[in-house]
Amino acid sequence: DVKVTQSSRYLVKRTGEKVFLECVQDMDHENMFWYRQDPGLGLRLIYFSYDVKMKEKGDIPEGYSVSREKKERFSLILESASTNQTSMYLCASSSAGQGPPNSPLHFGNGTRLTVT
Amino acid sequence: DQQVKQNSPSLSVQEGRISILNCDYTNSMFDYFLWYKKYPAEGPTFLISISSIKDKNEDGRFTVFLNKSAKHLSLHIVPSQPGDSAVYFCAASATGGSEKLVFGKGTKLTVNP
Repeated sequence: DVKVTQSSRYLVKRTGEKVFLECVQDMDHENMFWYRQDPGLGLRLIYFSYDVKMKEKGDIPEGYSVSREKKERFSLILESASTNQTSMYLCASSSAGQGPPNSPLHFGNGTRLTVT
Repeated sequence: DQQVKQNSPSLSVQEGRISILNCDYTNSMFDYFLWYKKYPAEGPTFLISISSIKDKNEDGRFTVFLNKSAKHLSLHIVPSQPGDSAVYFCAASATGGSEKLVFGKGTKLTVNP
């Protein structure tokens, strides 16, 4: 069974801090994604990656960056946290080349980040 | 602009009855559609999917219907159970595209005992 692990369930940070959200998957998936979930806004894609050291902007990349140094690990970085980045952050992974029919996204349990 | 729309933020049904969750999309390039279920404090889990070459897909109590001409899909849950209470997200993708999913805003389903 695919396991996507996010290192923290809850985080509280101060405005202006640099924040790292870590995600590890154990199924050798090529694709990894970061979403944020907000009430009334659904799931919005921040960044995704198809391979090590590759990254693509999603729909709302402003204020975020990512790092993929190893295949199993995908980090989301908030360079200078702001209160409007208070949200639930969800990491996901999938196999490459087969597309959603054969490899739907597998999500972690999320990190609820509060920026004060 | 919102490419995948779930216009009902919430839905309440009685246990044993049918739950119908609706989803509309605007991008004609979408050719694969999925439903995810999400419980509080957990990540979304894949529920059921349908390809654009089909108009119906069943998996136990869950059936997804696709109407391509109307750019509309629906998820039917029969019979509904209290454990089905969750937020349901509709998602779409375009094969040959970037393999990313576009999600709707979700519908919170409450099944009352």
